[in-house]
Amino acid sequence: KQEVTQIPAALSVPEGENLVLNCSFTDSAIYNLQWFRQDPGKGLTSLLLIQSSQREQTSGRLNASLDKSSGRSTLYIAASQPGDSATYLCAGTGGGNKLTFGTGTQLKVEL
Amino acid sequence: GAVVSQHPSRVICKSGTSVKIECRSLDFQATTMFWYRQFPKKSLMLMATSNEGSKATYEQGVEKDKFLINHASLTLSTLTVTSAHPEDSSFYICSAGQGAGGGNQPQHFGDGTRLSIL
Repeated sequence: KQEVTQIPAALSVPEGENLVLNCSFTDSAIYNLQWFRQDPGKGLTSLLLIQSSQREQTSGRLNASLDKSSGRSTLYIAASQPGDSATYLCAGTGGGNKLTFGTGTQLKVEL
Repeated sequence: GAVVSQHPSRVICKSGTSVKIECRSLDFQATTMFWYRQFPKKSLMLMATSNEGSKATYEQGVEKDKFLINHASLTLSTLTVTSAHPEDSSFYICSAGQGAGGGNQPQHFGDGTRLSIL
């Protein structure tokens, strides 16, 4: 059974700092990996999708990488802003679009 | 594009009431939709996979008679919490993937439904 862990569970940084969120999974037979953002009391917004044949994806200030052999993915946020404050979730699929979610990292970017 | 609408956003009702939550893909067809439950400050737990035109596939430990799922069209899936009790209070979220299966497509999520049973 796939288990997905995210470290750290919570993170507080000053505005402008670059930061890295970590995601690890137990089963390397992961098909693709997706990073999401969740604001309090809201649904999920998809940030980046790394497909099985890819190693990384970039969108604006966000960069996500996937290393299946080590069972890890990272989300890099450059020049963080207060508006980036949210919970970030990674999730992997083993095929068939069935997602297994990580435990989440609660990020706070302070002025 | 790829918008998923979930309704209602919040429900407060008495114990014993049945509550229906709708999940619609507004601008794409979704053969498969997913229903998740999220406890406070916890991650999402998959409850069931909703398949258009066939029975839903439930995850282990989820009562199918308690959580009724209907996927009558390619753009609509419903989750009915039958005879709801306080322990059913939670945040329920649906998602839909563009295209059919395979794991290649991103999933798009609704805004969730906050269910509170008194």
